[in-house]
Amino acid sequence: TQLLEQSPQFLSIQEGENLTVYCNSSSVFSSLQWYRQEPGEGPVLLVTVVTGGEVKKLKRLTFQFGDARKDSSLHITAAQPGDTGLYLCAGAGGSGGGADGLTFGKGTHLIIQP
Amino acid sequence: EPEVTQTPSHQVTQMGQEVILRCVPISNHLYFYWYRQILGQKVEFLVSFYNNEISEKSEIFDDQFSVERPDGSNFTLKIRSTKLEDSAMYFCASSPLAGAYNEQFFGPGTRLTVL
Repeated sequence: TQLLEQSPQFLSIQEGENLTVYCNSSSVFSSLQWYRQEPGEGPVLLVTVVTGGEVKKLKRLTFQFGDARKDSSLHITAAQPGDTGLYLCAGAGGSGGGADGLTFGKGTHLIIQP
Repeated sequence: EPEVTQTPSHQVTQMGQEVILRCVPISNHLYFYWYRQILGQKVEFLVSFYNNEISEKSEIFDDQFSVERPDGSNFTLKIRSTKLEDSAMYFCASSPLAGAYNEQFFGPGTRLTVL
C-alpha cells in the first residue's frame, strides 16, 4: 500500500513570510501532483512533476520532485492571504502505465494572516 | 475552460436505497475516475475506467458499486444498497492521458448523505 505523508498538517503564518510544505513516501511514484482544495469543493490541480529532481514554478509557488521520486515539496514565497487553503499532494502509481488511481496525502491546512 | 461537472450537488437517501451519481468528464478526455472523501479524511481512489471497462479499482470498490458510461458524455457511479458509512463527498475526475502524465481534473463533487 502506497502512503503519502504531508507535513505540517497545519500552518499559520503572517502575510509576506515564506513557507515550505512537504510530501513524503517510502514508495516511488511515476508522477506527483499538487492540488488545492477549498471547503466543500473538488481538488484543483496546481502542477504535475514527473522527473526526479524536477522543479516547477507557478508564480510564487515552487514545486520540487525528489531525485528518487518518493517525495516532493511546495515552497511559497511572500505568502498572501489568498494562498490560504488546503494543499494536497497525490501520487500516481509506480508502474507508470494505465489509468492509475491517485494516492492522496491528508493535506496541509495553510492560513495566511494579513 | 472545459471542466468536469457533477450532478446532483447534494443527494440525501435512506439506508438500503440505490443511488446514481452522475458526471460529465471533459470532452476529449479518455480516462475517468471516481474518488470519495469522508468528512475530515483524505481523498480515496475508488475506480478508474477506460475504453468502456474498469481499469483499476480499490478495496473500497466492492460489489455494491458499479460504474457505467451509458453514452458519449456521461459517466455514472451506482451504489446499489447504501450504508451509513457511504456518506461522503464523491468526486469524478478525468484525464487525457495515462501513466505518469495522467493529470486528473476533478469535478466539484456530490455530497451523499445516507440516513
